[in-house]
Amino acid sequence: KQEVTQIPAALSVPEGENLVLNCSFTDSAIYNLQWFRQDPGKGLTSLLLIQSSQREQTSGRLNASLDKSSGRSTLYIAASQPGDSATYLCAVKGGNTGKLIFGQGTTLQVKP
Amino acid sequence: GAGVSQSPRYKVAKRGQDVALRCDPISGHVSLFWYQQALGQGPEFLTYFQNEAQLDKSGLPSDRFFAERPEGSVSTLKIQRTQQEDSAVYLCASSQVGGGDIQYFGAGTRLSVL
Repeated sequence: KQEVTQIPAALSVPEGENLVLNCSFTDSAIYNLQWFRQDPGKGLTSLLLIQSSQREQTSGRLNASLDKSSGRSTLYIAASQPGDSATYLCAVKGGNTGKLIFGQGTTLQVKP
Repeated sequence: GAGVSQSPRYKVAKRGQDVALRCDPISGHVSLFWYQQALGQGPEFLTYFQNEAQLDKSGLPSDRFFAERPEGSVSTLKIQRTQQEDSAVYLCASSQVGGGDIQYFGAGTRLSVL
């Protein structure tokens, strides 16, 4: 059974710092991996999607990497801003079922 | 519509009541998913539709949970005889095709069972 773990559970940093969020999964047979952002009381917003054949994806100040063989992904946020404060979730999709299996999330606070 | 719409946004139910949660996916999206998110946890898969066909309901926690999508667009998640442990946010997501596309999420329905 696929399990997804995110470390740390919470993170507080001063504005301007670069930071890394970690995600690990137990079954390397994934279809893709997605990073989401969730603001309090809101739904999930997709940030980056990495197909199983890819190593990384970049969008603005965000960079996500995928090492399928070791079951790990990282989300790198450059020059963090207070507006980046949110919960970040990673999710893997296995096979063709379509369902996503989520980690518990990392709650990020960026202090001005 | 512009995005996935869920209603109601908030629902308070007395234990034992039946509730119905609605999801209106993005127009033209074939696939629709329901997830349950407990406080402080990541979402957990409940069920999946491709058009009107329910292809996976392995995540439904009990036979009190029932989902339908009769015309392949709007979906309803029904919970019968609600219990306190059903309190959670119920998220709906849609995507254009079954396996590969990004899932777009609604804002969710927060259910509180007293």
